[in-house]
Amino acid sequence: DAGVIQSPRHEVTEMGQEVTLRCKPISGHDYLFWYRQTMMRGLELLIYFNNNVPIDDSGMPEDRFSAKMPNASFSTLKIQPSEPRDSAVYFCASSLRRQGAAEQYFGPGTRLTVT
Amino acid sequence: GIQVEQSPPDLILQEGANSTLRCNFSDSVNNLQWFHQNPWGQLINLFYIPSGTKQNGRLSATTVATERYSLLYISSSQTTDSGVYFCAVEAGFGNEKLTFGTGTRLTIIP
Repeated sequence: DAGVIQSPRHEVTEMGQEVTLRCKPISGHDYLFWYRQTMMRGLELLIYFNNNVPIDDSGMPEDRFSAKMPNASFSTLKIQPSEPRDSAVYFCASSLRRQGAAEQYFGPGTRLTVT
Repeated sequence: GIQVEQSPPDLILQEGANSTLRCNFSDSVNNLQWFHQNPWGQLINLFYIPSGTKQNGRLSATTVATERYSLLYISSSQTTDSGVYFCAVEAGFGNEKLTFGTGTRLTIIP
């Protein structure tokens, strides 16, 4: 399996622009997670899905952030409008939960810079 | 929410040395993972270890769930071991969220 795939790997955009980050989870996994990593806050969970349904979005910082999972093999995280404080590395992770195992696997991340 | 503390925050060692990294957590967990974030930023799974002991080559990990801590052992360190090591836990049943510690930055000097 190719692992979790994220695109783009790097994104530079101007304040006010819309940004869309994409994720393809590992085939067969039923959970998908979006995390953000910054120097100040470390790694924090934004939102996660189970079988394409959002379960917990309490980590989404503001209404400017939204996430969708239209099918089992694709998810997007959108920021509109973007602000400089959104600059961070955004990770997508997926897992297959079964008795005795719930390991999460991370994608390579998208480094977002908002100027 | 659950608190995850890692120690030491920084560690600098000569190549060939051994090290022990610690992760303390404030509540019972049903998932604990150790990750290595390499200098390119990628998060690499090391162990899924909610309890017990596992070994993989020069690395091993032990989690004592009843005492709420986990240890990661690295033996015969190599420069490729440099990076940040994170412990992450999932607290309670029906809660699939991972809470990450602040990490231990390991630097291996040739």
